[in-house]
Amino acid sequence: AQTVTQSQPEMSVQEAETVTLSCTYDTSENNYYLFWYKQPPSRQMILVIRQEAYKQQNATENRFSVNFQKAAKSFSLKISDSQLGDTAMYFCAFFYAGNNRKLIWGLGTSLAVNP
Amino acid sequence: AAGVIQSPRHLIKEKRETATLKCYPIPRHDTVYWYQQGPGQDPQFLISFYEKMQSDKGSIPDRFSAQQFSDYHSELNMSSLELGDSALYFCASSALNGLNEQFFGPGTRLTVL
Repeated sequence: AQTVTQSQPEMSVQEAETVTLSCTYDTSENNYYLFWYKQPPSRQMILVIRQEAYKQQNATENRFSVNFQKAAKSFSLKISDSQLGDTAMYFCAFFYAGNNRKLIWGLGTSLAVNP
Repeated sequence: AAGVIQSPRHLIKEKRETATLKCYPIPRHDTVYWYQQGPGQDPQFLISFYEKMQSDKGSIPDRFSAQQFSDYHSELNMSSLELGDSALYFCASSALNGLNEQFFGPGTRLTVL
């Protein structure tokens, strides 16, 4: 069975600085997808970034980028130029079609961006 | 762009009552998922539907049932509500031919008194 581990329950960063959130996962599958979701205080679940396992190039979305290390089963999220609006819970999630297409979630990292 | 719609946004019920949560997926999305998220917890997968057929079942209590209708909207029916059912219930949708992204609705906050 697949598992997702986020080892940092809480993190903080100063506005405009860079922060990296860690995520590791365990799977024996080869073709899968990894996601980072953001959940601000409003509790809306927002997709931040997506990585296909078959792609070697790390995904980037504006200030958000990932460091995908397939062999190490690591999928960290880097937030550059942190903004106050980035304050949220961040969930790492794993998807494999063989799981009937359900997401496997980490427990989340609560990120606080301080002014 | 159209998003996933959930109704109601907030619901307050008494113990042992029933509740029905509705979800309207993004147009042309063929798969709907239901998740339950307690305070400070990660989302727990309940059930999913693909093309109106149940696709997978997670930690959904027997007191709960769900279905997807011909117009692809889905309803989660919850009976004999318990205090522990108080949570945020998310619906998400995705397209089979998409990038396996699940797009989430705003959630229904259920409070059981």
